[in-house]
Amino acid sequence: DAGITQSPRYKITETGRQVTLMCHQTWSHSYMFWYRQDLGHGLRLIYYSAAADITDKGEVPDGYVVSRSKTENFPLTLESATRSQTSVYFCASRPLASTDTQYFGPGTRLTVL
Amino acid sequence: KQEVTQIPAALSVPEGENLVLNCSFTDSAIYNLQWFRQDPGKGLTSLLLIQSSQREQTSGRLNASLDKSSGRSTLYIAASQPGDSATYLCAGSRGDYKLSFGAGTTVTVRA
Repeated sequence: DAGITQSPRYKITETGRQVTLMCHQTWSHSYMFWYRQDLGHGLRLIYYSAAADITDKGEVPDGYVVSRSKTENFPLTLESATRSQTSVYFCASRPLASTDTQYFGPGTRLTVL
Repeated sequence: KQEVTQIPAALSVPEGENLVLNCSFTDSAIYNLQWFRQDPGKGLTSLLLIQSSQREQTSGRLNASLDKSSGRSTLYIAASQPGDSATYLCAGSRGDYKLSFGAGTTVTVRA
């Protein structure tokens, strides 16, 4: 299916465990982004990537790691999950053209116990 | 850092009434301003994108305006319908592909 997908859609884990959230897009968009959405905070940028093997920190990167070995995939890893990382995580992508918007995945709801 | 504020946080109107959603931002050097819609449990869908050189954009019943000098954008939804019930978020960009989001306004349209 064309578009942007995220997996898993729901995840429950325990404090201290490593968790990886997957993001896959079929458009070959250059840019990919990871956001977290918390009540009252809107969406906050965690990391973004301008192309394969190019990543940079966003507003709230601490505790997260990303990689982008292929254009279509942009996994987000929580190296040692904490309760404060309980959130809904959204992946997004966009093409290089500056007049275009970002396209969002359906989100992953992560609960850290 | 671009700060984006949306007031009110929630809004309830009867069907047929026009909706006015407000967004304010702190950095007048905004590159573009976007409005998104988010349905419960879903991702964001882009509604309108206004470039800094534009003052408004229209799509069907939706119209969004941008006033850089006052740091405000307004989303108008004409003749609201129950299907318009959702959370609406605005986001500003400084041209570096990073978006700064407001917390959103949750709209309920009563049948």
